[in-house]
Amino acid sequence: SQKIEQNSEALNIQEGKTATLTCNYTNYSPAYLQWYRQDPGRGPVFLLLIRENEKEKRKERLKVTFDTTLKQSLFHITASQPADSATYLCALNQAGTALIFGKGTTLSVSS
Amino acid sequence: NAGVMQNPRHLVRRRGQEARLRCSPMKGHSHVYWYRQLPEEGLKFMVYLQKENIIDESGMPKERFSAEFPKEGPSILRIQQVVRGDSAAYFCASSPGGFRDTEQYFGPGTRLTVT
Repeated sequence: SQKIEQNSEALNIQEGKTATLTCNYTNYSPAYLQWYRQDPGRGPVFLLLIRENEKEKRKERLKVTFDTTLKQSLFHITASQPADSATYLCALNQAGTALIFGKGTTLSVSS
Repeated sequence: NAGVMQNPRHLVRRRGQEARLRCSPMKGHSHVYWYRQLPEEGLKFMVYLQKENIIDESGMPKERFSAEFPKEGPSILRIQQVVRGDSAAYFCASSPGGFRDTEQYFGPGTRLTVT
């Protein structure tokens, strides 16, 4: 079965720096990969979806890359702010439309 | 446009009781997913439903758990004879279509505590 690893449980950075989060997956290569944000006590919120034929996708201060050879996605937040502090989840489809999630990386941005 | 609604937000049950969790998808969405998040664990898929049909229940425990999404009304996740290990946050998500490149919209979750 598909396995997802987000290799940092926690990441602490200073305001203004770029945060880079990593998502690695095993077994077959998904056609799509998604990133979500989850705040404490709340449900995940969709951020970005990237397709296997897209190397990079951007949305405001967010950037996602998708390397199907390395089986890896990188998620970047540029000019990070304390409000970006949250847990970020990587997700992909194993089969069908249900999502498999990584355990997440908790980002803390200090001012 | 209201988002995905779940109720109750918190539910306390004693061992052996039944828990009933409700989910109203976003307006216009006919695809509903249930996920469970255990402490220190990631989100785990449980079941995928469309109106009146279970499409994928591969993540659902074989016993005590059931789900439905009737023609009228919310989707319901039912847990019979709850045990302490069922304590978790249960999230419902909806999407407008059953396509793999479609994002899912999550509700705020129901936090079940079994005493």
